Amino acid sequence: DQQVKQNSPSLSVQEGRISILNCDYTNSMFDYFLWYKKYPAEGPTFLISISSIKDKNEDGRFTVFLNKSAKHLSLHIVPSQPGDSAVYFCAARGGQNFVFGPGTRLSVLP
Amino acid sequence: EPEVTQTPSHQVTQMGQEVILRCVPISNHLYFYWYRQILGQKVEFLVSFYNNEISEKSEIFDDQFSVERPDGSNFTLKIRSTKLEDSAMYFCASSEQGLLNTEAFFGQGTRLTVV
Repeated sequence: DQQVKQNSPSLSVQEGRISILNCDYTNSMFDYFLWYKKYPAEGPTFLISISSIKDKNEDGRFTVFLNKSAKHLSLHIVPSQPGDSAVYFCAARGGQNFVFGPGTRLSVLP
Repeated sequence: EPEVTQTPSHQVTQMGQEVILRCVPISNHLYFYWYRQILGQKVEFLVSFYNNEISEKSEIFDDQFSVERPDGSNFTLKIRSTKLEDSAMYFCASSEQGLLNTEAFFGQGTRLTVV
Protein backbone atom coordinates (compact mmCIF):
# COMPACT_ATOMS: atom_id res chain seq x y z
CA ASP A 1 0.00 0.00 0.00
CA GLN A 2 2.04 2.89 -1.30
CA GLN A 3 0.31 6.01 -0.11
CA VAL A 4 3.26 8.19 -1.10
CA LYS A 5 5.00 7.47 -4.36
CA GLN A 6 8.18 8.76 -5.89
CA ASN A 7 8.28 7.10 -9.26
CA SER A 8 11.80 8.14 -10.20
CA PRO A 9 14.32 6.17 -8.17
CA SER A 10 17.14 8.33 -9.49
CA LEU A 11 17.79 11.61 -11.27
CA SER A 12 20.97 13.14 -12.68
CA VAL A 13 21.27 16.86 -13.28
CA GLN A 14 24.09 19.12 -14.40
CA GLU A 15 25.39 21.61 -11.86
CA GLY A 16 23.64 24.95 -12.20
CA ARG A 17 20.54 23.49 -13.81
CA ILE A 18 17.17 22.89 -12.22
CA SER A 19 16.38 19.64 -10.39
CA ILE A 20 12.73 18.63 -10.26
CA LEU A 21 11.74 15.85 -7.92
CA ASN A 22 8.21 14.53 -8.07
CA CYS A 23 5.92 12.93 -5.55
CA ASP A 24 2.38 11.59 -5.78
CA TYR A 25 0.05 10.59 -2.98
CA THR A 26 -3.21 8.74 -2.76
CA ASN A 27 -4.66 9.71 0.60
CA SER A 28 -6.69 12.91 0.36
CA MET A 29 -6.60 13.21 4.16
CA PHE A 30 -2.92 14.18 4.10
CA ASP A 31 -2.75 17.82 5.07
CA TYR A 32 0.93 18.62 5.30
CA PHE A 33 3.84 17.62 3.13
CA LEU A 34 7.55 17.70 3.70
CA TRP A 35 10.73 17.06 1.82
CA TYR A 36 13.71 15.51 3.53
CA LYS A 37 17.23 15.04 2.25
CA LYS A 38 19.29 12.09 3.36
CA TYR A 39 22.99 11.45 3.04
CA PRO A 40 24.34 7.91 3.50
CA ALA A 41 24.61 6.83 7.14
CA GLU A 42 22.80 9.94 8.36
CA GLY A 43 19.25 10.65 9.43
CA PRO A 44 16.80 12.48 7.17
CA THR A 45 17.23 16.26 7.28
CA PHE A 46 14.22 18.49 6.88
CA LEU A 47 14.32 20.70 3.80
CA ILE A 48 11.00 22.38 3.19
CA SER A 49 7.32 21.83 3.84
CA ILE A 50 3.96 22.89 2.52
CA SER A 51 0.52 22.91 4.02
CA SER A 52 -2.40 21.67 1.98
CA ILE A 53 -3.92 25.16 2.03
CA LYS A 54 -1.05 26.47 -0.08
CA ASP A 55 0.15 25.65 -3.54
CA LYS A 56 3.70 26.94 -3.31
CA ASN A 57 6.36 27.47 -0.72
CA GLU A 58 9.81 28.83 -1.38
CA ASP A 59 12.97 28.82 0.70
CA GLY A 60 16.12 29.96 -1.00
CA ARG A 61 17.00 27.55 -3.79
CA PHE A 62 14.18 25.19 -2.83
CA THR A 63 10.57 25.54 -3.93
CA VAL A 64 7.80 23.06 -3.32
CA PHE A 65 4.67 23.05 -5.43
CA LEU A 66 1.46 21.31 -4.44
CA ASN A 67 -1.36 20.37 -6.81
CA LYS A 68 -4.09 19.04 -4.56
CA SER A 69 -6.48 18.09 -7.33
CA ALA A 70 -3.78 15.93 -8.91
CA LYS A 71 -2.45 14.77 -5.51
CA HIS A 72 0.99 15.73 -6.71
CA LEU A 73 3.83 17.73 -5.32
CA SER A 74 7.24 18.58 -6.62
CA LEU A 75 10.48 19.96 -5.27
CA HIS A 76 12.46 22.33 -7.45
CA ILE A 77 16.11 23.02 -6.69
CA VAL A 78 17.66 25.83 -8.64
CA PRO A 79 20.49 26.18 -9.24
CA SER A 80 21.52 22.63 -8.40
CA GLN A 81 24.86 22.18 -6.64
CA PRO A 82 27.04 19.08 -6.22
CA GLY A 83 26.34 19.18 -2.47
CA ASP A 84 22.68 18.59 -3.25
CA SER A 85 23.52 15.03 -4.26
CA ALA A 86 21.56 12.88 -1.83
CA VAL A 87 18.39 10.84 -1.53
CA TYR A 88 15.28 13.01 -1.32
CA PHE A 89 12.22 11.75 0.48
CA CYS A 90 8.75 13.16 0.12
CA ALA A 91 6.69 12.71 3.30
CA ALA A 92 3.05 13.33 4.05
CA ARG A 93 1.53 13.92 7.42
CA GLY A 94 -1.43 11.77 8.33
CA GLY A 95 -2.53 11.82 11.92
CA GLN A 96 0.46 11.70 14.23
CA ASN A 97 2.92 10.19 11.83
CA PHE A 98 4.65 10.91 8.57
CA VAL A 99 4.39 8.55 5.63
CA PHE A 100 7.52 8.55 3.54
CA GLY A 101 7.92 7.89 -0.14
CA PRO A 102 10.64 5.50 -1.31
CA GLY A 103 13.02 8.32 -2.18
CA THR A 104 14.73 9.65 -5.28
CA ARG A 105 18.51 9.64 -5.53
CA LEU A 106 19.66 12.96 -6.98
CA SER A 107 23.10 13.21 -8.50
CA VAL A 108 24.30 16.68 -9.41
CA LEU A 109 27.16 16.42 -11.85
CA PRO A 110 29.90 19.07 -11.84
CA GLU B 1 21.41 24.33 17.04
CA PRO B 2 19.32 21.78 18.97
CA GLU B 3 19.38 18.28 17.62
CA VAL B 4 18.05 14.81 18.25
CA THR B 5 20.76 12.45 19.43
CA GLN B 6 20.71 8.69 19.29
CA THR B 7 22.90 6.07 20.93
CA PRO B 8 24.51 3.79 20.08
CA SER B 9 25.31 4.56 16.47
CA HIS B 10 25.72 0.86 15.75
CA GLN B 11 24.44 -2.13 17.71
CA VAL B 12 25.16 -5.75 16.89
CA THR B 13 23.08 -8.33 18.70
CA GLN B 14 22.35 -12.02 18.55
CA MET B 15 18.97 -13.20 17.38
CA GLY B 16 16.60 -13.56 20.32
CA GLN B 17 18.35 -10.97 22.46
CA GLU B 18 16.74 -7.81 23.74
CA VAL B 19 17.98 -4.44 22.55
CA ILE B 20 17.25 -0.93 23.72
CA LEU B 21 17.81 1.97 21.38
CA ARG B 22 18.12 5.34 23.01
CA CYS B 23 17.17 8.79 21.88
CA VAL B 24 17.32 12.25 23.36
CA PRO B 25 14.74 14.40 21.57
CA ILE B 26 14.95 18.18 21.27
CA SER B 27 14.15 19.52 24.71
CA ASN B 28 10.99 21.55 24.04
CA HIS B 29 9.46 18.98 21.72
CA LEU B 30 6.48 16.98 22.87
CA TYR B 31 5.89 14.49 20.05
CA PHE B 32 8.31 11.64 19.56
CA TYR B 33 8.62 9.06 16.82
CA TRP B 34 10.51 5.98 15.81
CA TYR B 35 11.08 5.10 12.19
CA ARG B 36 13.19 2.46 10.57
CA GLN B 37 14.79 1.93 7.21
CA ILE B 38 15.74 -1.55 6.11
CA LEU B 39 18.69 -1.43 3.74
CA GLY B 40 17.54 -0.47 0.27
CA GLN B 41 13.96 0.13 1.35
CA LYS B 42 11.95 3.17 2.31
CA VAL B 43 11.69 4.87 5.67
CA GLU B 44 8.85 3.23 7.60
CA PHE B 45 6.86 4.62 10.50
CA LEU B 46 6.89 2.54 13.68
CA VAL B 47 5.30 4.56 16.45
CA SER B 48 4.45 8.03 17.68
CA PHE B 49 4.36 9.02 21.34
CA TYR B 50 2.79 11.95 23.08
CA ASN B 51 1.91 12.72 26.68
CA ASN B 52 3.52 9.53 27.90
CA GLU B 53 1.52 7.24 25.72
CA ILE B 54 1.52 5.82 22.22
CA SER B 55 -0.61 7.94 19.93
CA GLU B 56 -0.21 5.85 16.79
CA LYS B 57 1.61 2.72 15.75
CA SER B 58 2.07 0.78 12.57
CA GLU B 59 1.62 -2.91 11.84
CA ILE B 60 5.36 -3.34 12.22
CA PHE B 61 5.16 -2.27 15.85
CA ASP B 62 3.99 -5.58 17.31
CA ASP B 63 4.24 -6.98 20.81
CA GLN B 64 8.00 -7.37 20.47
CA PHE B 65 8.37 -3.59 20.43
CA SER B 66 7.84 -1.12 23.20
CA VAL B 67 8.67 2.52 23.82
CA GLU B 68 9.27 4.39 26.99
CA ARG B 69 10.12 7.84 28.20
CA PRO B 70 11.80 6.86 31.45
CA ASP B 71 12.75 10.39 32.44
CA GLY B 72 12.36 13.91 31.15
CA SER B 73 14.92 13.58 28.40
CA ASN B 74 15.24 10.05 27.03
CA PHE B 75 12.97 8.20 24.65
CA THR B 76 13.74 4.51 24.16
CA LEU B 77 12.72 1.77 21.77
CA LYS B 78 12.99 -1.77 23.08
CA ILE B 79 12.89 -4.88 20.96
CA ARG B 80 12.33 -7.84 23.26
CA SER B 81 13.49 -10.75 21.15
CA THR B 82 15.26 -9.60 18.03
CA LYS B 83 14.83 -11.31 14.70
CA LEU B 84 17.11 -11.21 11.68
CA GLU B 85 14.55 -9.07 9.85
CA ASP B 86 14.81 -6.40 12.55
CA SER B 87 18.18 -5.43 11.09
CA ALA B 88 17.75 -1.84 9.93
CA MET B 89 18.58 1.78 10.62
CA TYR B 90 16.33 3.04 13.37
CA PHE B 91 15.62 6.75 13.41
CA CYS B 92 14.21 8.69 16.30
CA ALA B 93 12.46 11.98 15.59
CA SER B 94 10.73 14.69 17.56
CA SER B 95 8.47 17.60 16.76
CA GLU B 96 6.94 20.54 18.54
CA GLN B 97 3.40 20.51 19.65
CA GLY B 98 1.25 23.31 18.34
CA LEU B 99 -1.70 24.34 16.24
CA LEU B 100 0.59 24.90 13.33
CA ASN B 101 1.96 21.93 11.48
CA THR B 102 5.62 21.41 12.12
CA GLU B 103 8.35 19.29 10.71
CA ALA B 104 9.99 16.46 12.57
CA PHE B 105 13.68 16.53 13.32
CA PHE B 106 15.51 13.27 12.98
CA GLY B 107 18.49 11.84 14.75
CA GLN B 108 21.45 10.30 12.98
CA GLY B 109 20.08 6.83 13.46
CA THR B 110 21.17 3.58 15.10
CA ARG B 111 22.21 0.80 12.80
CA LEU B 112 20.93 -2.44 14.30
CA THR B 113 22.47 -5.65 13.01
CA VAL B 114 20.93 -8.90 14.20
CA VAL B 115 23.13 -11.95 13.65
